Amino acid sequence: KQEVTQIPAALSVPEGENLVLNCSFTDSAIYNLQWFRQDPGKGLTSLLLIQSSQREQTSGRLNASLDKSSGRSTLYIAASQPGDSATYLCAVEADSGYALNFGKGTSLLVTP
Amino acid sequence: GAVVSQHPSWVICKSGTSVKIECRSLDFQATTMFWYRQFPKQSLMLMATSNEGSKATYEQGVEKDKFLINHASLTLSTLTVTSAHPEDSSFYICSARERQKSYEQYFGPGTRLTVT
Repeated sequence: KQEVTQIPAALSVPEGENLVLNCSFTDSAIYNLQWFRQDPGKGLTSLLLIQSSQREQTSGRLNASLDKSSGRSTLYIAASQPGDSATYLCAVEADSGYALNFGKGTSLLVTP
Repeated sequence: GAVVSQHPSWVICKSGTSVKIECRSLDFQATTMFWYRQFPKQSLMLMATSNEGSKATYEQGVEKDKFLINHASLTLSTLTVTSAHPEDSSFYICSARERQKSYEQYFGPGTRLTVT
């Protein structure tokens, strides 16, 4: 059974810092990996999707990498802002058409 | 982009009553929809997979007679929580997979259910 782990569970940084969120998964046979943002009491916002054949994806200040063989992904946030404060979820899809398997998330607080 | 809506966004019901939650794909056809549940400060856990025109597939530990899922069309799936109890209070989120695109799911905004 696929297990998705996110470290750290919570993170507090001052505004302007670059930061890295980590995600690991136990079964490297994945179809894709996705990073989401969730604000308190809200739904999910998709940030980046990396297909299994890809190594990284970038969108603005966000960069996500994928190392399938080692079962790891990182989300890099450059020049963090208070508006980045949210919970970040990592999810893997075992195969095309399957549901996503989520980690417990990293709660990020960026202080002014 | 593809949009998924949920209705209602929040609902309060009394213990023992039933409540229906709708999940709609607004601008695409979804052959598959997934229903997830999220308890406070926990991650999303898959409850069931809903395929248009066929019976839903439930995850282990999810009571199919309590959580009724109907995927009657390519744009609508419903989740009915029957005889709700306070422990069913949770955040329910659906996602839909676009028919022509096999690699991306789109999530609804979620429904907050509180059972008193």
